[in-house]
Amino acid sequence: DGGITQSPKYLFRKEGQNVTLSCEQNLNHDAMYWYRQDPGQGLRLIYYSQIVNDFQKGDIAEGYSVSREKKESFPLTVTSAQKNPTAFYLCATYLQYTDTQYFGPGTRLTVL
Amino acid sequence: QKEVEQNSGPLSVPEGAIASLNCTYSDRVSQSFFWYRQYSGKSPELIMSIYSNGDKEDGRFTAQLNKASQYVSLLIRDSQPSDSATYLCAGENAGGTSYGKLTFGQGTILTVHP
Repeated sequence: DGGITQSPKYLFRKEGQNVTLSCEQNLNHDAMYWYRQDPGQGLRLIYYSQIVNDFQKGDIAEGYSVSREKKESFPLTVTSAQKNPTAFYLCATYLQYTDTQYFGPGTRLTVL
Repeated sequence: QKEVEQNSGPLSVPEGAIASLNCTYSDRVSQSFFWYRQYSGKSPELIMSIYSNGDKEDGRFTAQLNKASQYVSLLIRDSQPSDSATYLCAGENAGGTSYGKLTFGQGTILTVHP
């Protein structure tokens, strides 16, 4: 997991609530990514950011929002508009020219 | 066609055997490919990357890339029970300025039984 922290590890949410998942890194990597993983599925990209104060939508951005106010932090908000938010959420960083994505330990979100 | 597609599995092999994992990709995915291993409940960890046509070996792992046929594979020799995990194939998206943007396959579950 090396230098990427995600919190909380487990999160329970009632329907209709917004929740924010934290991702912090001390690797000094420029790019950060949020993925969602459903049981038996690969990873699907939600949002990504290559520099501070800039981010782009991934393949499944609807119902999610992000911010990138500082290099170390890339929080993800799961809004009430996300119809099926129960999943395993993974944050990753990428250092250009190393061709390696580094993953955090993940947050498992369950909607009750 | 999905951008990155893995043979569905699950795959079960005896200890000591060779495990073969395969992945095909579309034109939207570039020529950089990655194999990640993911243990149950954990995050993925990179085990191999490959960029050029041919084979790349690292210990018991060999990645193979065939650009003409658009497939990439991972061979695990002398499989051990500790290799039991989900293996994810990923390709870097082609074009644009979005470096490091990966598309993942759905994963193949590998079980190595003693």
